[in-house]
Amino acid sequence: AQKITQTQPGMFVQEKEAVTLDCTYDTSDQSYGLFWYKQPSSGEMIFLIYQGSYDEQNATEGRYSLNFQKARKSANLVISASQLGDSAMYFCAMRFGRGYGQNFVFGPGTRLSVLP
Amino acid sequence: EAQVTQNPRYLITVTGKKLTVTCSQNMNHEYMSWYRQDPGLGLRQIYYSMNVEVTDKGDVPEGYKVSRKEKRNFPLILESPSPNQTSLYFCASSFLGSWGYTFGSGTRLTVV
Repeated sequence: AQKITQTQPGMFVQEKEAVTLDCTYDTSDQSYGLFWYKQPSSGEMIFLIYQGSYDEQNATEGRYSLNFQKARKSANLVISASQLGDSAMYFCAMRFGRGYGQNFVFGPGTRLSVLP
Repeated sequence: EAQVTQNPRYLITVTGKKLTVTCSQNMNHEYMSWYRQDPGLGLRQIYYSMNVEVTDKGDVPEGYKVSRKEKRNFPLILESPSPNQTSLYFCASSFLGSWGYTFGSGTRLTVV
């Protein structure tokens, strides 16, 4: 069964430093998509970045990059130059089955706290 | 603006009093889904629908009902809410065959 593991329940980082949030996944599918979402204290889910399983280059979106290591089944999120507004819960998620059926699984999340 | 709209944002209710959380999307998406979020568990799927009149159970369907009579709407019904259904609920939608997923803003439900 598909599963997402995030082993860091909480992380601290100093403002302006980079931080890596870990995510490993388990699937036997060849085609899947990996996502990272940010959830601030207000509760909404904010899409950050996406990586397709066949994409050869790591995805980047501004200060966010996804370190995709397919053989190791890992999809770590790297946030460069952390800002106080980055303090939030971060969820790694995987979509499979191309939108058909029960096809989206989430990890338990990592709470990131950025220190001034 | 393309969006998924959930209502209400916040709801406090009493055990056993039927309630409905509405979800509507304006993107003509075929696929819609409900999730609940609990601390340490991430988001777990309750029900999903691949098109009008097509619904199926997710991981945690007990105590919930859904319907999909129109493409844009996918209400979540709690016939007899219990305190263990206190949670943060999200509706989401996408096109079939697409990886992209649009989430609603969430509904924070408390059952006392």
